Amino acid sequence: DQQVKQNSPSLSVQEGRISILNCDYTNSMFDYFLWYKKYPAEGPTFLISISSIKDKNEDGRFTVFLNKSAKHLSLHIVPSQPGDSAVYFCAASGRGNDYKLSFGAGTTVTVRA
Amino acid sequence: DTGVSQNPRHKITKRGQNVTFRCDPISEHNRLYWYRQTLGQGPEFLTYFQNEAQLEKSRLLSDRFSAERPKGSFSTLEIQRTEQGDSAMYLCASTERGSSTEAFFGQGTRLTVV
Repeated sequence: DQQVKQNSPSLSVQEGRISILNCDYTNSMFDYFLWYKKYPAEGPTFLISISSIKDKNEDGRFTVFLNKSAKHLSLHIVPSQPGDSAVYFCAASGRGNDYKLSFGAGTTVTVRA
Repeated sequence: DTGVSQNPRHKITKRGQNVTFRCDPISEHNRLYWYRQTLGQGPEFLTYFQNEAQLEKSRLLSDRFSAERPKGSFSTLEIQRTEQGDSAMYLCASTERGSSTEAFFGQGTRLTVV
């Protein structure tokens, strides 16, 4: 069963504009959420995370928002840069599952110059 | 380099052959995870170790798969009698114990079964 869902397989955005990636989850036991970035033929690289006790976390150009009641999180990238073109995975974990990660299917972001 | 290291990066094998992959985690991390990623999907959990103890195995891990982590350091994942459906990227990750901090991934081993 897919406990983490990314319903948009792709996103195209103009350089300098905002990229918004969305993620939904179903498991109420998840208490930690992460975004990973992946280039072809490489492993996922950690980008940013958020604990369930927070609703926002910001790191430079990247901000993650968490809406626990809606079981929804989003990643904002502002401004988008050509180097941001990659696949972005949403992931979730929790103490109840020993921190193993459940991933969404990913969103491919293309930043147009 | 203190990151997670995986070898080999690529493996092409004939159906029915056995293959073994190796993962060297970050040295101070005592949790080690194996994931598998197929085209168009996110990584899927296979198994994980805390030190040398294998604490959980996914239903995805058939009897043909076995993983070890002797002495709680590096880990190996072996697939016996490979099938074409085993073709995937096999990813290893490590984390610190009792921490919800991010898992660090290796670059993966791309397996192609022909």
